[in-house]
Amino acid sequence: EAQVTQNPRYLITVTGKKLTVTCSQNMNHEYMSWYRQDPGLGLRQIYYSMNVEVTDKGDVPEGYKVSRKEKRNFPLILESPSPNQTSLYFCASSTRPGLYNEQFFGPGTRLTVL
Amino acid sequence: AQSVTQPDIHITVSEGASLELRCNYSYGATPYLFWYVQSPGQGLQLLLKYFSGDTLVQGIKGFEAEFKRSQSSFNLRKPSVHWSDAAEYFCAVGDGNKLVFGAGTILRVKS
Repeated sequence: EAQVTQNPRYLITVTGKKLTVTCSQNMNHEYMSWYRQDPGLGLRQIYYSMNVEVTDKGDVPEGYKVSRKEKRNFPLILESPSPNQTSLYFCASSTRPGLYNEQFFGPGTRLTVL
Repeated sequence: AQSVTQPDIHITVSEGASLELRCNYSYGATPYLFWYVQSPGQGLQLLLKYFSGDTLVQGIKGFEAEFKRSQSSFNLRKPSVHWSDAAEYFCAVGDGNKLVFGAGTILRVKS
């Protein structure tokens, strides 16, 4: 089944404790992206990747890192999480960058930083 | 910067009634518009998209949307709502390498 998977689905952590949220897609998509969803704000892009070893900032990149060493994986790293990063995070992928292509979303990761 | 406005935070409709969810966008060129649905605890699923051509777009689950350039709108409609349509709906516009989303509209369906 074609899908985007994220792990963990739920995470509660404390301020300053490094964490990684994994994202993997099995559709051989070149483009991958991370969004965060906050009430009243919709989804906002954190980082995106056009292909392996190519990443760039989205609208809200502060406090996050990403890497794209393999085509299928695009982990999101919070090196020193803070409470304002409590949010619902979505990974998405698409066949190639650009406006024409549907983005497929993962199920989301709900992160709480205490 | 591109922006999307969904004026209604919540909408409640009776099962079987018609539905219209509003979406207004701000975009300088020809917009690429999308509607996504998010069911509770789920990711986002694409309902429909508009790139060009016929301004009335048909999507999945019986939804349709009409692009009106003069009004900068892309409203989502369904003639008869089912209880399973209760979810949050997001309008989005393609902008370079990302989607710009509206804040979402939560649809409640009463029986």
